[in-house]
Amino acid sequence: GQQVMQIPQYQHVQEGEDFTTYCNSSTTLSNIQWYKQRPGGHPVFLIQLVKSGEVKKQKRLTFQFGEAKKNSSLHITATQTTDVGTYFCAGPRDQKVTFGIGTKLQVIP
Amino acid sequence: DAGVIQSPRHEVTEMGQEVTLRCKPISGHDYLFWYRQTMMRGLELLIYFNNNVPIDDSGMPEDRFSAKMPNASFSTLKIQPSEPRDSAVYFCASTGTGYSPLHFGNGTRLTVT
Repeated sequence: GQQVMQIPQYQHVQEGEDFTTYCNSSTTLSNIQWYKQRPGGHPVFLIQLVKSGEVKKQKRLTFQFGEAKKNSSLHITATQTTDVGTYFCAGPRDQKVTFGIGTKLQVIP
Repeated sequence: DAGVIQSPRHEVTEMGQEVTLRCKPISGHDYLFWYRQTMMRGLELLIYFNNNVPIDDSGMPEDRFSAKMPNASFSTLKIQPSEPRDSAVYFCASTGTGYSPLHFGNGTRLTVT
């Protein structure tokens, strides 16, 4: 089964609104990775978080890793139509990389 | 760096036929992963290799599925016989170390009628 759970599964937002997706694990993660998959495309790596409580930013994207290293979030500020796609978290464990179900983001212009 | 190369991009076959999907990882990458993506189940890890050796195949659905990696630059995923429920996008990914980001191929969209 899936190592990580991700919510919500779908999200529709108006362009300019913020968006957040959450990733939760029942076990402590050594690190967490986030990927984005555009419609019809393949997952593309965005970022990796390693440290407890770590926060990283990429322009309008903010990634957080929980203090207990069991949860993570991705927040997009002021969404744009180019943000459309499915966002996945992945929790590598013993080199085995399993993905959450993903959050499919639709941005309404 | 040509990236991970998968072939074919699309495969349409009839139930009962054998299907072979191919993957060429990025040169120098020691890990290779096969994933299956469907709307219902998301990205499922089928099997992964380290230095051409299968490490974990617990995600392989059943005996109809098999995967090989005869050398560092080539892997296959075979389904025999194929069934309509095997229809999905199959991705291959590689990475240099176990905790490095995965590099995905463009995937093979398989349709079994």
